Amino acid sequence: GIQVEQSPPDLILQEGANSTLRCNFSDSVNNLQWFHQNPWGQLINLFYIPSGTKQNGRLSATTVATERYSLLYISSSQTTDSGVYFCAVESWSGNTPLVFGKGTRLSVIA
Amino acid sequence: DGGITQSPKYLFRKEGQNVTLSCEQNLNHDAMYWYRQDPGQGLRLIYYSQIVNDFQKGDIAEGYSVSREKKESFPLTVTSAQKNPTAFYLCASTGQESTDTQYFGPGTRLTVL
Repeated sequence: GIQVEQSPPDLILQEGANSTLRCNFSDSVNNLQWFHQNPWGQLINLFYIPSGTKQNGRLSATTVATERYSLLYISSSQTTDSGVYFCAVESWSGNTPLVFGKGTRLSVIA
Repeated sequence: DGGITQSPKYLFRKEGQNVTLSCEQNLNHDAMYWYRQDPGQGLRLIYYSQIVNDFQKGDIAEGYSVSREKKESFPLTVTSAQKNPTAFYLCASTGQESTDTQYFGPGTRLTVL
């Protein structure tokens, strides 16, 4: 099945810094989503982005489908951005559930 | 408000007992999913259902069972056959369109003593 790799696995930032999280996938996709899991375990969908670029406030995401990667940008980070960021993909090859990467754990310190 | 509810939030059980985790959604979503998350790990798919009265095994279905008798409900039973059931369990749902995003419940933390 499709493989999803996220990097870096852990990231520590000073409040106000910018960061880039990466998601590599091994096959063509028709669905790619980014999620944020807060310290209490709740997952919130950030972006549906199988291709192209989207922005939502301080967050933006870009997926280059032909090169099989997606990037999540966080600007002017805040302590509330802390948590785990997951990338999840669905392969073009079938109507299958999303496959999740292992996540990037972000800690933003004041 | 529309959303997904999971109950209970915390659950403690003795080894060897079956336990059922509840998941209910009022989003009118057709597809529902159960994931398991272990500390510091990603999400692993246990079971999923794309339509009422039908469900498929995910990557780690052994020791678990599900039912989908109603569109709104997708309960998960953790049986005594599951060797290491202590984990965080997440339920999710999504609509039928390929552009639909996936929504998650708040999770149930199961501890087997």
